[in-house]
Amino acid sequence: DTEVTQTPKHLVMGMTNKKSLKCEQHMGHRAMYWYKQKAKKPPELMFVYSYEKLSINESVPSRFSPECPNSSLLNLHLHALQPEDSALYLCASSQESGGINIQYFGAGTRLSVL
Amino acid sequence: QKEVEQDPGPLSVPEGAIVSLNCTYSNSAFQYFMWYRQYSRKGPELLMYTYSSGNKEDGRFTAQVDKSSKYISLFIRDSQPSDSATYLCAFLKAAGNKLTFGGGTRVLVKP
Repeated sequence: DTEVTQTPKHLVMGMTNKKSLKCEQHMGHRAMYWYKQKAKKPPELMFVYSYEKLSINESVPSRFSPECPNSSLLNLHLHALQPEDSALYLCASSQESGGINIQYFGAGTRLSVL
Repeated sequence: QKEVEQDPGPLSVPEGAIVSLNCTYSNSAFQYFMWYRQYSRKGPELLMYTYSSGNKEDGRFTAQVDKSSKYISLFIRDSQPSDSATYLCAFLKAAGNKLTFGGGTRVLVKP
């Protein structure tokens, strides 16, 4: 089973709202990722958590706040977003320990900021 | 020069034809080579990965890597309309976890 589950599938929010995206995996993976994908572009890395610690932040604005409560869960807290933040947000996970860090992606959350 | 070059397409083929996709890369540190398939408005789905030069086959899919030329390919035999999607090549350094993606090639298989 290579399933990464993301909720919600769709989200519409105003610029003053606070919302959260959720991601869950039960593959025993110890690295989890957030990506942002705009139309007709490849995914862009935002954050990497390795063993529940933030290891990479690709200079993402502070209105995006990641959280990794445990090894199976990853959240992305959103606050005061801009319309240009509308995109498909993807979560991924990988093994991390010793082997190849092949990443498995979830179906994504389609976010619209009004 | 971009680290990865991938023709954006669209690549249109009749059903049953062989689809040929490729990417070139410039970073010799890339050790692992992946192909993802992405349907519209869905997340990327891992199709194949390999780490050595040569061919790897899985059903209708064959991945080919030529490290000396820094060139990877994906072939889809007996293409079906359900193969219509965007195909992303992706690269990984040894012990790394930052994927470098190509821009994606959009493929249309016409019935």
